[in-house]
Amino acid sequence: QVQLVQSGAEVKKTGASVKVSCKASGYTFTGYYMHWVRQAPGQGLEWMGWINLNSGDTNYAQKFQGRVTMTRDTSISTAYIDLSRLTSDDTAVYYCARPYCGSSSCHNWFDPWGQGTLVTVSS
Amino acid sequence: DIVMTQSPDSLAVSLGERATINCKSSQSVLYNSNNKNYLAWYQQKPGQPPKLLIYWASTRESGVPDRFGGSGSETDFTLTISSLQAEDVAVYYCQQYYSTSLTFGQGTRLEI
Repeated sequence: QVQLVQSGAEVKKTGASVKVSCKASGYTFTGYYMHWVRQAPGQGLEWMGWINLNSGDTNYAQKFQGRVTMTRDTSISTAYIDLSRLTSDDTAVYYCARPYCGSSSCHNWFDPWGQGTLVTVSS
Repeated sequence: DIVMTQSPDSLAVSLGERATINCKSSQSVLYNSNNKNYLAWYQQKPGQPPKLLIYWASTRESGVPDRFGGSGSETDFTLTISSLQAEDVAVYYCQQYYSTSLTFGQGTRLEI
């Protein structure tokens, strides 16, 4: 079955960087995009951007531009998000999520989602 | 960005009764060329990722019980649970995918 499995929880200091991975299985990795969405404790969902898993092209939400980098390793069907210059406001659960892609187009509703990775930032 | 506003923020409904959650977008998410509304609904239970319920505003995802229904067009949308079950306790989110900058509603907490 289609599955996204993310790396484990991270604790980082203010100003540091964090890299979270998302390993895909059960489908053709390069046939899709991967999106990243985060959720601060007790808060709603915030979209961060996407990566085209075939070309490596990216599109980041304006809020994160200059601080986020999305990459992928097609040899191991894994997508990554790297967030730098962390502050306490970046404490959140980070999710990878796969959009729907049909034979001719993709649409950005998400299924499945990874299980989430808690990133805690403290001083 | 398109702002998505849900109402109410929280809702308590008796078992077996109808639950209605509203979602309003700051601009139309109806794409005229295909007459589709670019809106999805998700359910999130504690400690779990969101689960897709509905896309194209009213198309139920495979495996989602038929007590869940979506309706609406352009800027005003509704998620209806026709007969609330105990397992429906969750936070529900709407999401627009009309714009390249995706946005979610703030969530509606549904309780018994």
